[in-house]
Amino acid sequence: DQQVKQNSPSLSVQEGRISILNCDYTNSMFDYFLWYKKYPAEGPTFLISISSIKDKNEDGRFTVFLNKSAKHLSLHIVPSQPGDSAVYFCAASAKSGGGADGLTFGKGTHLIIQP
Amino acid sequence: KAGVTQTPRYLIKTRGQQVTLSCSPISGHRSVSWYQQTPGQGLQFLFEYFSETQRNKGNFPGRFSGRQFSNSRSEMNVSTLELGDSALYLCASSLGTKVNTGELFFGEGSRLTVL
Repeated sequence: DQQVKQNSPSLSVQEGRISILNCDYTNSMFDYFLWYKKYPAEGPTFLISISSIKDKNEDGRFTVFLNKSAKHLSLHIVPSQPGDSAVYFCAASAKSGGGADGLTFGKGTHLIIQP
Repeated sequence: KAGVTQTPRYLIKTRGQQVTLSCSPISGHRSVSWYQQTPGQGLQFLFEYFSETQRNKGNFPGRFSGRQFSNSRSEMNVSTLELGDSALYLCASSLGTKVNTGELFFGEGSRLTVL
């Protein structure tokens, strides 16, 4: 049972346009969401996050939107650049009383920015 | 500041053997998590160690084990290897404080191939 779903395995976007990556989750206990970016032969790197008490978080060209009622979040990249070509993972965590929980990751979306 | 270091980067084993992977976290980070990445399943949480104690565990069989040393370095062990254990094993470190932002710093991974 996949609790975090990224239904698009790949996405192709023209350079300069907006890239929108989507993520759905099923576990209502998730209250913190993150996006990670991964280049081949490298580990994932943290990109941006959002707490469930917010519905939007912005960092430069990257904005994450959270719709709790729909259990849906999206990552917007504007404008898209060639260096954005990578695999993007959506991840979620449910805070427990003890501290760090393991993140639950989606399977990733391979974003390809076309020149 | 040195990043997360994983060794070895690549290794090949045969079915039935066992393997030990090592991870050195970022200096000052006390939490080390391990993830398995496969093409079909994406990133799956194995376990997390904090101050030499396993604090959280994913849904993997007992053949997968780990430990953390007093210097926060961690090892994971897989015994009686199966073909399906072929994967990229990622280690991630974080401060591990109770206020869990979920931001993890990943190493480049250890690519295990089981023949």
